[in-house]
Amino acid sequence: DTGVSQDPRHKITKRGQNVTFRCDPISEHNRLYWYRQTLGQGPEFLTYFQNEAQLEKSRLLSDRFSAERPKGSFSTLEIQRTEQGDSAMYLCASSLVGVRMVQFFGPGTRLTVL
Amino acid sequence: DQQVKQNSPSLSVQEGRISILNCDYTNSMFDYFLWYKKYPAEGPTFLISISSIKDKNEDGRFTVFLNKSAKHLSLHIVPSQPGDSAVYFCAASARGSSNTGKLIFGQGTTLQVKP
Repeated sequence: DTGVSQDPRHKITKRGQNVTFRCDPISEHNRLYWYRQTLGQGPEFLTYFQNEAQLEKSRLLSDRFSAERPKGSFSTLEIQRTEQGDSAMYLCASSLVGVRMVQFFGPGTRLTVL
Repeated sequence: DQQVKQNSPSLSVQEGRISILNCDYTNSMFDYFLWYKKYPAEGPTFLISISSIKDKNEDGRFTVFLNKSAKHLSLHIVPSQPGDSAVYFCAASARGSSNTGKLIFGQGTTLQVKP
């Protein structure tokens, strides 16, 4: 399977704990995006990497959120001191650099903060 | 500030008939539009896209129409099949110096195709 993969698929944690999610993009894709989707809403942009450089972060990404993409391959999204409002589906997508490139999404990580 | 809006939360059609899903946008900088389909517990799957230099793009049973003056696009599915039942998201990206390609999504429309 050469699609975008995400791990874990589900995460249940207690408020105040730290969590980390991983995304493995399609191998030749140099652009990587993180989105968050809550119930009844469309995905909302969180952050964007081109290769290993994080080039844009949304205002939604508070100081408790950090993302990395070492060596321009897989990416991790960490949430520190989780809050109940962080409960959502976290989606990763990848694409090639270029105008009008389609983003391909992974299956997402469902986070539940108790 | 909802820049991309899908005002119909749900749509129900009979198998074999046409499904029309609508999307409105407010940002005149948007120049590329996409439709994604999403099944429960899966990530969005790309369906079809259209550039702002076109007003129609067709791919098999799926056709997207773009009306730039009205800032409106629609997805037509003909004929509709039960397997098309899913949530459909409209998304847009804007030209700009950063050219990150980030997508702005609508809220989604749940399509149910009845056998």
